Amino acid sequence: DVKVTQSSRYLVKRTGEKVFLECVQDMDHENMFWYRQDPGLGLRLIYFSYDVKMKEKGDIPEGYSVSREKKERFSLILESASTNQTSMYLCASRSSYNEQFFGPGTRLTVL
Amino acid sequence: GQNIDQPTEMTATEGAIVQINCTYQTSGFNGLFWYQQHAGEAPTFLSYNVLDGLEEKGRFSSFLSRSKGYSYLLLKELQMKDSASYLCAVRDSGNTPLVFGKGTRLSVIA
Repeated sequence: DVKVTQSSRYLVKRTGEKVFLECVQDMDHENMFWYRQDPGLGLRLIYFSYDVKMKEKGDIPEGYSVSREKKERFSLILESASTNQTSMYLCASRSSYNEQFFGPGTRLTVL
Repeated sequence: GQNIDQPTEMTATEGAIVQINCTYQTSGFNGLFWYQQHAGEAPTFLSYNVLDGLEEKGRFSSFLSRSKGYSYLLLKELQMKDSASYLCAVRDSGNTPLVFGKGTRLSVIA
């Protein structure tokens, strides 16, 4: 059974903190993605990766970075969290031409 | 640029049929996807169209017209559990990331 897991369902951090969001998939997929989802704005792509050690900027990469040291793990890093990064963060993975599978999401609140 | 449009909200009655439309303008086309997302949960895959026509899967069907840049999701015999957001997404070429519409929030009422 397909599985994408994220390290936390809910997270509360303070402004200026460094935040790590972890995503792990067990399907040996090459491609992994990080989105944020906000009311009225839909799903917006932050970063994605086609393979280990590779990363590509999505539509809204500012204030974020990523790391992909192993094929199954894709981490999203908020270098210095700000209140406008309060959001639902969704990780997804897929093999080249098939549908994307999403993790359960992390609802991050930055105070 | 890329643009995907779908209605923001729809309401339908239990047992009825509802059609959710999606229009897209992308630089290329390599598949259209529909996802269902219940409140507070992750999106789950419903359907995939890459050729023109209708794909049927149980109570759900999805239609595509590439020449018109148009798709719809048809939900039959609506149930209360179908209350959710429905996301239309397009892959414009090759292995590029999906581009999502903002979603249509469907409310099923008794």
